[in-house]
Amino acid sequence: SAVISQKPSRDICQRGTSLTIQCQVDSQVTMMFWYRQQPGQSLTLIATANQGSEATYESGFVIDKFPISRPNLTFSTLTVSNMSPEDSSIYLCSTRHSTDTQYFGPGTRLTVL
Amino acid sequence: KNQVEQSPQSLIILEGKNCTLQCNYTVSPFSNLRWYKQDTGRGPVSLTIMTFSENTKSNGRYTATLDADTKQSSLHITASQLSDSASYICVVSRPSGTYKYIFGTGTRLKVLA
Repeated sequence: SAVISQKPSRDICQRGTSLTIQCQVDSQVTMMFWYRQQPGQSLTLIATANQGSEATYESGFVIDKFPISRPNLTFSTLTVSNMSPEDSSIYLCSTRHSTDTQYFGPGTRLTVL
Repeated sequence: KNQVEQSPQSLIILEGKNCTLQCNYTVSPFSNLRWYKQDTGRGPVSLTIMTFSENTKSNGRYTATLDADTKQSSLHITASQLSDSASYICVVSRPSGTYKYIFGTGTRLKVLA
C-alpha cells in the first residue's frame, strides 16, 4: 500500500489569496490525482498530475485557478488561486497503482473567509 | 449519463446491530466497483473492490455484493462497532482508455453505544 501525506492538514485563508497544498507519496507512482470534496458532497476529480508535463484538467477546472506541479514520481502540489468562499473544501491527493488500487491522502481542509 | 446513487443518505444504528448500504449505478462500460470508508476529516480508505465477474467480497465484518445485471451493489456491516461511524462511498470505474472514477455521494453512518 502507499502512504500519502499532505500539507497543510487544514488552513483558514482570506479571500483573494492563494494556497499551495503539498502531496508526498512514500513510493514512486505513475498516476497522481487531485480531488475536491465540498461539504456534504462526494469527491470531484480536479485534474490528473502528470510527471514532467502539464496536468490534465477535468471539465470545470482550469490551470489558472488550480495550477499543479509534478516535479517527480513522488511529489505534487496543487495551488488554489485567488480564493473565494466557494473554494472552501477538502482537497485530496490520490494515487493509483498497477494493482488498480487507488489510495487517498488524509486531505487538506480549506476554509476561505 | 454515468451516475452512482447511494442510499440511504444517512443512517443511525445501535452498536452490535447489522446494516446494509445500497449503491445503484448507470455507469457503462463498467470495470470495477469499490467501497471506501471515509472517517471524518480523513481521506477515503478502500474496503473492497469487485470486478464484473465477482458477486461478493468480504473484508472482516464488511461484505460487499455486486449484481452486474441490475447494476446494484450493497455493503453489509455485521456486528457494528462505534469505529464504523464514517461515510461509506461507492465508486464505479470504467475501463482504461476512458478511465474515470465515478463517486457516489456516500452514506453517512453513525453507530451509537
